[in-house]
Amino acid sequence: DAGVTQSPTHLIKTRGQQVTLRCSPKSGHDTVSWYQQALGQGPQFIFQYYEEEERQRGNFPDRFSGHQFPNYSSELNVNALLLGDSALYLCASSQKETQYFGPGTRLLVL
Amino acid sequence: AQSVTQLGSHVSVSEGALVLLRCNYSSSVPPYLFWYVQYPNQGLQLLLKYTSAATLVKGINGFEAEFKKSETSFHLTKPSAHMSDAAEYFCAVTSAGGTSYGKLTFGQGTILTVHP
Repeated sequence: DAGVTQSPTHLIKTRGQQVTLRCSPKSGHDTVSWYQQALGQGPQFIFQYYEEEERQRGNFPDRFSGHQFPNYSSELNVNALLLGDSALYLCASSQKETQYFGPGTRLLVL
Repeated sequence: AQSVTQLGSHVSVSEGALVLLRCNYSSSVPPYLFWYVQYPNQGLQLLLKYTSAATLVKGINGFEAEFKKSETSFHLTKPSAHMSDAAEYFCAVTSAGGTSYGKLTFGQGTILTVHP
């Protein structure tokens, strides 16, 4: 049984560009959450998707948007990248209360 | 609102010694609590969870944690540290309902170093 997968593993962008990160949940999971982990910090909740709708959102600007597809996979989009968006972006999937994390996508904004 | 405080950003122990990582939480509704471990350049791996069943929870790799409502704590322990336990550990809280439902709030993490 494959776990949560994320792509790409690493990404380098320049300020002002846009980026799309992708996530495939564990088999049987219908909920996907996204987190941002800056260097030396704990993960911060961005948003959660369930039944293709954003169910919960953290304290992130509208530059951060997402989507969930009918097969439960998800995308995180970030527009107008800032240097401060450099971080590890983690996707987690769940069916109930327990979230299982993928390996993350490390984004570097230059 | 929910919050997590992990006391001690760095903990150092000798191989074979007791591991104790501290976590205190704040929640206005009954919490669900989790411990995750993160190895360098990797994602988070679930160690154990408390979801309102037994207050003493056993997890993988010999770790366990005890939920103490009166102390709002969920400390992580392991009787005997192994070199492979060296990693960063995160405590997290969510709830079964309310405004925090589905949202994990993490502590700042504790880096565990194990000396031979």
